[in-house]
Amino acid sequence: NAGVTQTPKFQVLKTGQSMTLQCAQDMNHEYMSWYRQDPGMGLRLIHYSVGAGITDQGEVPNGYNVSRSTTEDFPLRLLSAAPSQTSVYFCASLRNWNTGELFFGEGSRLTVL
Amino acid sequence: AQSVSQHNHHVILSEAASLELGCNYSYGGTVNLFWYVQYPGQHLQLLLKYFSGDPLVKGIKGFEAEFIKSKFSFNLRKPSVQWSDTAEYFCAVKGNTGKLIFGQGTTLQVKP
Repeated sequence: NAGVTQTPKFQVLKTGQSMTLQCAQDMNHEYMSWYRQDPGMGLRLIHYSVGAGITDQGEVPNGYNVSRSTTEDFPLRLLSAAPSQTSVYFCASLRNWNTGELFFGEGSRLTVL
Repeated sequence: AQSVSQHNHHVILSEAASLELGCNYSYGGTVNLFWYVQYPGQHLQLLLKYFSGDPLVKGIKGFEAEFIKSKFSFNLRKPSVQWSDTAEYFCAVKGNTGKLIFGQGTTLQVKP
């Protein structure tokens, strides 16, 4: 099992550019989520999904889009990047809340100039 | 809305000292509570979790946490820290909305 795989690990964008952060898991987990981590602010939930075809907003959804067409994949799209979106992004998944353990990817460091 | 507050932002201890990190949450219903740890350069790993039952929960590496419902708290403790415990610690809460919300994190520095 590869676990939760995020790509790319590093990315530099210019303001206004678009990009997609990829997240894939091979554990057949129903729940997937995206967080951003900023110094002094912990992890903030951007979007989450409880299953294929179902997504919902987290704490800081503005400027980000997601889709969940398959159980395995949960891409995060930045349509028009802004410097405020400079952050480290983590994708995480779990099978169900009875087990409770969220498995995290290794993170994607994004810099918007 | 759910929220989590960690009062200690940066803690410095000497090896063998005892540790207690505070965590308070705001949510009116049934909660699941978690502590995660992030070692330097690594992603988050689960330390322990509380779903129901005994409010004193034991986790990995000698950590434990106590759920006190009346105080909306879930403090993390360890009797004797080691240099290898240097990391950032996050408290998290899940209500019935499906969202797992994290606190701001506490950086623990253990001096050898």
